[in-house]
Amino acid sequence: AQSVSQHNHHVILSEAASLELGCNYSYGGTVNLFWYVQYPGQHLQLLLKYFSGDPLVKGIKGFEAEFIKSKFSFNLRKPSVQWSDTAEYFCAVTALGNTDKLIFGTGTRLQVFP
Amino acid sequence: NAGVTQTPKFQVLKTGQSMTLQCAQDMNHEYMSWYRQDPGMGLRLIHYSVGAGITDQGEVPNGYNVSRSTTEDFPLRLLSAAPSQTSVYFCASSAGGRYLGGELFFGEGSRLTVL
Repeated sequence: AQSVSQHNHHVILSEAASLELGCNYSYGGTVNLFWYVQYPGQHLQLLLKYFSGDPLVKGIKGFEAEFIKSKFSFNLRKPSVQWSDTAEYFCAVTALGNTDKLIFGTGTRLQVFP
Repeated sequence: NAGVTQTPKFQVLKTGQSMTLQCAQDMNHEYMSWYRQDPGMGLRLIHYSVGAGITDQGEVPNGYNVSRSTTEDFPLRLLSAAPSQTSVYFCASSAGGRYLGGELFFGEGSRLTVL
């Protein structure tokens, strides 16, 4: 079965700093990868997703993620964060043969200070 | 647009009590699921359904039951509540069916405390 690791549990940045959140998955076959965001007091919403094709995926609000198959990674990036990016970020994966289960990582809490 | 609606939003139970968390979606989605969110553990899949009459277990199904008699509704039943079931529960739906290629739409969550 697939699993997801997010090693950054809590990240604190100042506005305009660059962001990179790590995500690694364990599954040897084809995967679909997702990043979800949960703003304070709100429900989860999709930031971006990767199924196939260009490994650099662009999402909403200036976020992007790069799929590196050899490293089993799908890191989330943003060149310049804003205070409004303060939220919890979750990486998630479905695997070929197990495509009806979306498995989430433990999440990374991002705090951005003005 | 209602989307995914969960009730109740807050609930306090005593150990051993039973209850049902309700989930309804108005998007005609085939796929529905229940997650629990605990600090430091992210979201863990409890049960899911790829269509009316079909349910399956996720990562942490013990202590929970589900049924899917209609496309719209997917209730989660706690048979005999335990303090370990204190959590925030999220219902989510997707148009993807068994192939979960689409976006999951989440409800606002139900915060359950078991004393």
